[in-house]
Amino acid sequence: SQKIEQNSEALNIQEGKTATLTCNYTNYSPAYLQWYRQDPGRGPVFLLLIRENEKEKRKERLKVTFDTTLKQSLFHITASQPADSATYLCALDRGSGGGADGLTFGKGTHLIIQP
Amino acid sequence: GAVVSQHPSWVICKSGTSVKIECRSLDFQATTMFWYRQFPKQSLMLMATSNEGSKATYEQGVEKDKFLINHASLTLSTLTVTSAHPEDSSFYICSAGRNNIQYFGAGTRLSVL
Repeated sequence: SQKIEQNSEALNIQEGKTATLTCNYTNYSPAYLQWYRQDPGRGPVFLLLIRENEKEKRKERLKVTFDTTLKQSLFHITASQPADSATYLCALDRGSGGGADGLTFGKGTHLIIQP
Repeated sequence: GAVVSQHPSWVICKSGTSVKIECRSLDFQATTMFWYRQFPKQSLMLMATSNEGSKATYEQGVEKDKFLINHASLTLSTLTVTSAHPEDSSFYICSAGRNNIQYFGAGTRLSVL
């Protein structure tokens, strides 16, 4: 079955530094990989989607890479701010792509940006 | 981005009662919606796929008679937890997709006493 692992449960980063989160997956070749942000007691909020034929995707201070050989995605937040503190979830589509068959999520990494 | 509304955000009920949770896509139509459950410090786990005009598809291990899903229109899916028990206490979240992206509701915290 599909398995997703996110490198650590919690990550402490000093404000202004770059935070890097890792997502590894096994037993799957996803067409898409997505990253979400989840705040306590709230539903996930979509951040970025990267396709299997894309190496890198950027959106403002966010950058995602996707290495289908290593079966790994890295998620970077540059110039991190305390407001970036949240849990970040990696998700793979369960079927043909685009989440049309639902998503499989990692447990998430709780990112804490310290002032 | 697209908006998915979920209601209620928080509910407490007595053991043995039923609770209904609504999920609405506010600015787009969704033939398919998804229901997830999340326990503390765990990942979201897909419970079922809600299909407009037809029966829901349940994931392995999810009791379809306990978690009733109705998707009567293109903008509304409901999840009813029947005869709720304390072990059903969890965070329930719905999603709907548009343009290959899943948009999630804010979630419903269910506490069964």
